[in-house]
Amino acid sequence: NAGVTQTPKFQVLKTGQSMTLQCAQDMNHEYMSWYRQDPGMGLRLIHYSVGAGITDQGEVPNGYNVSRSTTEDFPLRLLSAAPSQTSVYFCASSPPRQSRYGYTFGSGTRLTVV
Amino acid sequence: TQLLEQSPQFLSIQEGENLTVYCNSSSVFSSLQWYRQEPGEGPVLLVTVVTGGEVKKLKRLTFQFGDARKDSSLHITAAQPGDTGLYLCAGALYSGAGSYQLTFGKGTKLSVIP
Repeated sequence: NAGVTQTPKFQVLKTGQSMTLQCAQDMNHEYMSWYRQDPGMGLRLIHYSVGAGITDQGEVPNGYNVSRSTTEDFPLRLLSAAPSQTSVYFCASSPPRQSRYGYTFGSGTRLTVV
Repeated sequence: TQLLEQSPQFLSIQEGENLTVYCNSSSVFSSLQWYRQEPGEGPVLLVTVVTGGEVKKLKRLTFQFGDARKDSSLHITAAQPGDTGLYLCAGALYSGAGSYQLTFGKGTKLSVIP
């Protein structure tokens, strides 16, 4: 089924470790983004990309890096994990100029940093 | 500062009751989207409203976009246990790159008791 695939589903990291959260979509969407969801804070934008080779920062980018080498993939890298990065991370994609179609979200990665 | 204020934050009602969720902002949006999220899953788009004053119906759910495109409401008639979930509103703002970004409210957690 077409959609957004995120891996892994769950991850536990020690403080200072690095890891990459994977996100892939097969809908040929140009726009992709990463959000984190925390209790009482809602969904907050980390980074986004309007196409291959183009990325930009969102509301809470510190501690995270992204790259977009292909239309399909948009990985999120944590270079040195901190307990404050414990959260549920969602990747989303959409056609770029038609907000009426909305975002398609992945099922999320639950990350715990100890 | 929260761009989108969503209320109420929590709502617990009996099956068969009606309810309304509100989403308010001081900003004018290109469109307003409503999502529903179930535990362990990503948000799923319910509807997008684009025109000021627009009303859309999805079975027992009625969505309205304010005339000034700053606020929206979701009304559920005769709520059922299957309506239980987290309801999120999101405002779309077009960026200079020709794409748009979504800003989310903090969500309304609805519980419908049989």
